[in-house]
Amino acid sequence: GAVVSQHPSRVICKSGTSVKIECRSLDFQATTMFWYRQFPKQSLMLMATSNEGSKATYEQGVEKDKFLINHASLTLSTLTVTSAHPEDSSFYICSAIGHFSGSARNEQFFGPGTRLTVL
Amino acid sequence: QKEVEQNSGPLSVPEGAIASLNCTYSDRGSQSFFWYRQYSGKSPELIMSIYSNGDKEDGRFTAQLNKASQYVSLLIRDSQPSDSATYLCAVKRNSGGSNYKLTFGKGTLLTVNP
Repeated sequence: GAVVSQHPSRVICKSGTSVKIECRSLDFQATTMFWYRQFPKQSLMLMATSNEGSKATYEQGVEKDKFLINHASLTLSTLTVTSAHPEDSSFYICSAIGHFSGSARNEQFFGPGTRLTVL
Repeated sequence: QKEVEQNSGPLSVPEGAIASLNCTYSDRGSQSFFWYRQYSGKSPELIMSIYSNGDKEDGRFTAQLNKASQYVSLLIRDSQPSDSATYLCAVKRNSGGSNYKLTFGKGTLLTVNP
């Protein structure tokens, strides 16, 4: 099946610093990637949709200047949390859609997630 | 009204029993429906996708879709302790240019007791 990786898997940082999370599609080209955030015991909340070579589309209430998304290639999207604060501590998960043999239409494949803790 | 609703559970079934997970959605224009399994601390894993009314079977899993009732379910036969997880229902919204966006329910926590 389609494999999506994320790096790092876990990060602890001080308040005010910036953190970059990478999302890679390993065996397929991802035309569209998504970034989600999940707080404990809550469902996945879509933050933004990222299309290769174009600006990301952010969901209502998500600050585009705080959560910078770059989808520079068909296999890589990055999310940078700028000036992170404790309330940004969460589980960040990316997913990808692409053309891949064996993948049915509209299926999203998720990365393993990045757990961010801001002290 | 929430867009995708699931009973949060926990749903507890004995090993070997059938677990039935239910989901309702509000957008009649929804076209694609998915069930994901999420273990604690892990990201979701796709189990089933269903696009047309009726049943779709894959191993021990059966997805059922009824668009008229805006209802989708997941049956797990011969439940195993390893099936214990949170099951997320996801619906693809018919949202014009953003046709790939999924809306997730909050998930149902399933516990299979040995």
